[in-house]
Amino acid sequence: EIVMTQSPATLSVSPGERATLSCRASQSVSSNLAWYQQKPGQAPRLLIYGASIRATGIPARFSGSGSGTEFTLTISILQSEDFAVYYCQQYNNWPWGTFGQGTKVEIK
Amino acid sequence: EVQLVESGGGLVQPGRSLRLSCAASGFTFDDYAMHWVRQAPGKGLEWVSGISWNSGSIGYADSVKGRFTISRDNAKNSLYLQMNSLRAEDTALYYCAKARAAAGPVYFDYWGQGTLVTVSS
Repeated sequence: EIVMTQSPATLSVSPGERATLSCRASQSVSSNLAWYQQKPGQAPRLLIYGASIRATGIPARFSGSGSGTEFTLTISILQSEDFAVYYCQQYNNWPWGTFGQGTKVEIK
Repeated sequence: EVQLVESGGGLVQPGRSLRLSCAASGFTFDDYAMHWVRQAPGKGLEWVSGISWNSGSIGYADSVKGRFTISRDNAKNSLYLQMNSLRAEDTALYYCAKARAAAGPVYFDYWGQGTLVTVSS
């Protein structure tokens, strides 16, 4: 079974700075990797799929990269509305929809 | 506009059953697989179960296999989750999620707001 590991658990960043979040798969998932943003009291929102393709309506400051087992989500210039929890999800292998444990991006 | 509206959650005793529903609108329901994802209080996301567009392919997480049953009614644009033999560890917010394809492992492009299931005596 694939295990998705995100780091760090918490990232403290000042508004206007860059945030870099990591996601590692225990075995290759090719480019079948998605990123979601979840704000308190809200459902998750799809940000990135195919490791690097922004979903509809997602600002260009969000970018994804990587393939195989190592992936990165970068938020180039953090806005106040970007402080949230971010999850990666692999959809290459069974079980379907394996999520990482999340990275909380908080205000420094 | 895509809308997914879950219902059926509530407080239930351990060992009892509950049936969740998800009403979908704003897209061609029978073109897409549908899934249930849950989130325990203060915890991360856990995929629970998924069903292909025609119910021909169904999957469950090991944690619910043999206790939960997913189904769909394409004529009613609805997704269901029958939960039996509920345990305290099933306590969570249950989200209905639309897959981006008709079947197989996929990502989720739309989510409902969730329905809360609390298992407690």
